[in-house]
Amino acid sequence: GAVVSQHPSWVICKSGTSVKIECRSLDFQATTMFWYRQFPKQSLMLMATSNEGSKATYEQGVEKDKFLINHASLTLSTLTVTSAHPEDSSFYICSARDLVGYTFGSGTRLTVV
Amino acid sequence: AQKITQTQPGMFVQEKEAVTLDCTYDTSDPSYGLFWYKQPSSGEMIFLIYQGSYDQQNATEGRYSLNFQKARKSANLVISASQLGDSAMYFCAMRFGETSGSRLTFGEGTQLTVNP
Repeated sequence: GAVVSQHPSWVICKSGTSVKIECRSLDFQATTMFWYRQFPKQSLMLMATSNEGSKATYEQGVEKDKFLINHASLTLSTLTVTSAHPEDSSFYICSARDLVGYTFGSGTRLTVV
Repeated sequence: AQKITQTQPGMFVQEKEAVTLDCTYDTSDPSYGLFWYKQPSSGEMIFLIYQGSYDQQNATEGRYSLNFQKARKSANLVISASQLGDSAMYFCAMRFGETSGSRLTFGEGTQLTVNP
């Protein structure tokens, strides 16, 4: 079936630095990629929707200058958390629309210290 | 308003018994899709079952079945013969509309614990 490879699976970074998370569709073309954030014991909250070759659409309350999304090809979308702070510590997970439904990456656990 | 609700924060079931996880939704769009996902502690999202709004029959996938009651706007997940490995967080999710850019909206989740 469809696979979305997400890296890294976990990352610890210092406050003020930037972190890039990659999601790559391995055997299908992901025209649209969704980026979610999940805090402990909570649901997945959509941050933004990225479409290949165009600007991402951000959900209300999500800072587009802080969470940079790039979807330069049909198989790769990246999320960069810029100037990360401890409150950005969370589980980030991507999802791509495929022929059947949605395929999720394995998620990235970000800890900002 | 388009909304999806799971009212059971936690559920407990004995091994080998069946359990029903509740999910209700609200939409005025006639075309939508309902999904159930399992999220173990590792964080991965495992697709379980799908029900389209125009599907005449309730979806089934192995031990999972979806009790779709369109008039009541509910899509409850039934897990039969529970196993210890079923202990996880379960999310109901909805796709509103049919466009390729339609994203999933998730319910709050239900933490299922299967007791031996």
